Amino acid sequence: GDSVTQMEGPVTLSEEAFLTINCTYTATGYPSLFWYVQYPGEGLQLLLKATKADDKGSNKGFEATYRKETTSFHLEKGSVQVSDSAVYFCALRVQGGSEKLVFGKGTKLTVNP
Amino acid sequence: ETGVTQSPTHLIKTRGQQVTLRCSSQSGHNTVSWYQQALGQGPQFIFQYYREEENGRGNFPPRFSGLQFPNYSSELNVNALELDDSALYLCASSLGTDSYEQYFGPGTRLTVT
Repeated sequence: GDSVTQMEGPVTLSEEAFLTINCTYTATGYPSLFWYVQYPGEGLQLLLKATKADDKGSNKGFEATYRKETTSFHLEKGSVQVSDSAVYFCALRVQGGSEKLVFGKGTKLTVNP
Repeated sequence: ETGVTQSPTHLIKTRGQQVTLRCSSQSGHNTVSWYQQALGQGPQFIFQYYREEENGRGNFPPRFSGLQFPNYSSELNVNALELDDSALYLCASSLGTDSYEQYFGPGTRLTVT
């Protein structure tokens, strides 16, 4: 079945450090890929998306490139801020049917000043 | 434009009881999806409603049921509660079943004792 695997957390960085959160997927069709962010006490927010191979999603300094050959969608940011502290979820959606999202387990990021 | 709202925020129930959770979708959205997020895990798809009809279901038993109303708000009902039903229940709304963006509410935290 369809699945998403994320790097285990938690991840702790100092402000202005470089961030990479690895995400790989398994899908039977041609998925769209997403990164969601969950701040403490809040619901999930869409951070960025990519709908086909080689697409790059970007938002708020975060980037991820859809790599079909390696079935990956790694999240990167060049310089993290304290306000980026949150849980990050990689997700996929295969078209057809209910268009459900399949999520990874999440990676908790803490950025220290 | 109001976002997705859920009620109640927190709920404590006893094993064997029944519970109803509520979700008001974002204005203009006709599709509602429900997810269960166990502690430390990613959200898992329960089911989706589109224009008052169930439009796909995840791997959850029939004691998980739902409704969508003409104003597109939705309910999630869980009968015969089990301890493993303790989780954060998330509702997400979207415009149509083929939308790339689902807008999530803050969730209802259910504790079963």
